[in-house]
Amino acid sequence: QVQLVQSGAEVKKPGASVKVSCKASGYTFTGYYMHWVRQAPGQGLEWMGWINPNSGGTNYAQKFQGRVTMTRDTSISTAYMELSRLRSDDTAVYYCARLIAVADEYYFDYWGQGTLVTVSS
Amino acid sequence: DIQMTQSPSSLSASVGDRVTITCRASQSISSYLNWYQQKPGKAPKLLIYAASSLQSGVPSRFSGSGSGTDFTLTISSLQPEDFATYYCQQSYSTLLITFGPGTKVDIK
Repeated sequence: QVQLVQSGAEVKKPGASVKVSCKASGYTFTGYYMHWVRQAPGQGLEWMGWINPNSGGTNYAQKFQGRVTMTRDTSISTAYMELSRLRSDDTAVYYCARLIAVADEYYFDYWGQGTLVTVSS
Repeated sequence: DIQMTQSPSSLSASVGDRVTITCRASQSISSYLNWYQQKPGKAPKLLIYAASSLQSGVPSRFSGSGSGTDFTLTISSLQPEDFATYYCQQSYSTLLITFGPGTKVDIK
């Protein structure tokens, strides 16, 4: 069965960086783009970008350009999202989500359990 | 960027009620519209994809309709486990995916 298992909660100081992992299992990791979505406390879902695990190609939301880096390690079927220069408003739950792209249909069918990142001095 | 809006932002309903949530895109997105349900502390769960296709395992009381800019999620008979927040999401541009702000459905 498909599973996306994320790394544990993090507490960081403003200005620091955080790297969240997302380990995939139950499917061919390189066959599906992996997206990252975050959710601040009590707020809605905010899309951050994606990585193509096959090529390593990435695309980031303009809001995060210059601060976010998405990478992958195909040998262990794991995607990573690193966010730098953290601010207090980066406090959020960060999710990875697998994108299905088939027959002109695109949707997130599996999500990780979420990783809470708290930014506080 | 394609902006998504939802209405209402919240609603109160009773078990057995028919509930309708509307999602509007700032430009035509054909049928590239998905609906997710999220419960507190949990990841979103896919309900409807491509505007009207029911995801496997999702109860048939959920249905979606619409195309272009206006879309609807309907719950035909609200059940206790349906109290949650619902998000629409456009996938017309996978280079810039956007979600609606959400509609919270709670108990009347």
